[in-house]
Amino acid sequence: QVQLQESGPGLVKPSETVSLTCAVSGYSISSGYHWGWIRQPPGKGLEWIGSVFHSGTTYHNPSLKNRVTISVDTSKNQFSLKLSSVSAADTAVYYCARDQRYDTEYFDYWGQGTLVTVSS
Amino acid sequence: QSALTQPASVSGSPGQSITISCTGTSSDVGSYNLVSWYQQHPGKAPKLMIYEVSKRPSGVSNQFSGSKSGNTASLTISGLQAEDEADYYCCSYAGSSTVVFGGGTKLTVL
Repeated sequence: QVQLQESGPGLVKPSETVSLTCAVSGYSISSGYHWGWIRQPPGKGLEWIGSVFHSGTTYHNPSLKNRVTISVDTSKNQFSLKLSSVSAADTAVYYCARDQRYDTEYFDYWGQGTLVTVSS
Repeated sequence: QSALTQPASVSGSPGQSITISCTGTSSDVGSYNLVSWYQQHPGKAPKLMIYEVSKRPSGVSNQFSGSKSGNTASLTISGLQAEDEADYYCCSYAGSSTVVFGGGTKLTVL
């Protein structure tokens, strides 16, 4: 059974960079698949941030692209998100998920989410 | 890249059927049979209910079905049960390796 677990700082100051990690268990990232980040501001809908292939190839939401860095560490079986120049608008629950995107597109396994609050 | 359009809320009584619409454009929903639907209970992570417009993952009840016509996809839930009360989100491949979600629909079981 594939399981994902997000971790991060919880509270970040405006203009700083937030770093989140998603640890994957029950499946080796190096074996394939894409892995994605999705966020949800409090009381609002889901927004795709971006995805990464096990090789390191990345795909980003155009609206966030300049601030987003997604990377994968196959040795630790985890992938990461860095979002720079954060503001209150980036306050959200951040989810990681397995992104099925080889001739298809859907997210089949999700982490429980981690809340990131941007505040001074 | 704009969010797909969903009704803010829908409601139905136990045993009834409801349909949630998801309207996109010819650049996303209309161009690809890659629409998925997610159920989210309060404080929980989203759960995949439908993928590729109408396919159900293993373990998802056949109460849930999906369809698409033109730029609009739909999720139908038949035989409504109390536990179906949740938020539902559609999602579509939008070309150029990007993905777009809908704004979400709150389903209330009366």
